[in-house]
Amino acid sequence: DAGITQSPRYKITETGRQVTLMCHQTWSHSYMFWYRQDLGHGLRLIYYSAAADITDKGEVPDGYVVSRSKTENFPLTLESATRSQTSVYFCASSELRGTQYFGPGTRLLVL
Amino acid sequence: AQSVTQLGSHVSVSEGALVLLRCNYSSSVPPYLFWYVQYPNQGLQLLLKYTSAATLVKGINGFEAEFKKSETSFHLTKPSAHMSDAAEYFCAVSDNNNDMRFGAGTRLTVKP
Repeated sequence: DAGITQSPRYKITETGRQVTLMCHQTWSHSYMFWYRQDLGHGLRLIYYSAAADITDKGEVPDGYVVSRSKTENFPLTLESATRSQTSVYFCASSELRGTQYFGPGTRLLVL
Repeated sequence: AQSVTQLGSHVSVSEGALVLLRCNYSSSVPPYLFWYVQYPNQGLQLLLKYTSAATLVKGINGFEAEFKKSETSFHLTKPSAHMSDAAEYFCAVSDNNNDMRFGAGTRLTVKP
């Protein structure tokens, strides 16, 4: 049972490049989420999606783009990466009012 | 908007001692409250959650938390720490179970 997976697990990129982080879940959960984790801030919500083709901003959406054409996938794109986007990114999924299940994370370094 | 404050970024206890991790929340509506644990290089795992059914919530691995509305607190406890409890713990609050706000985390160290 794969559950929720993220790829790549580690990524190094340069300022100004476009980067896409992938998230895939096998539970057919309606809701999917993207968080970033930074020391001293805990996890902060970037974007979430209630269903395919429905997305909404979270606490820190600037500089990020999401899409959800299929229920099981929720990619996160940094259109022009900046050093401040160096972070660990977590994807999660849940049913409505259900427990959020987290992926293993992607460590992104922007040089 | 809801928010969470975790008191103490680092807590150290001896093996077998009581674990107490503090969490205070702010919410304009009856909240959903959560504790998650994160082991190194892993995602977050749910320890327990409060959804108004009972004020004392029991979770996995012997942890429990008590919802105290008058104190706006949801502290996490475990009677006897084990070495395997060493991890980072996050308290989170949500007003609708989808938009969750996390605390900054508390790193628990367990000394032999």
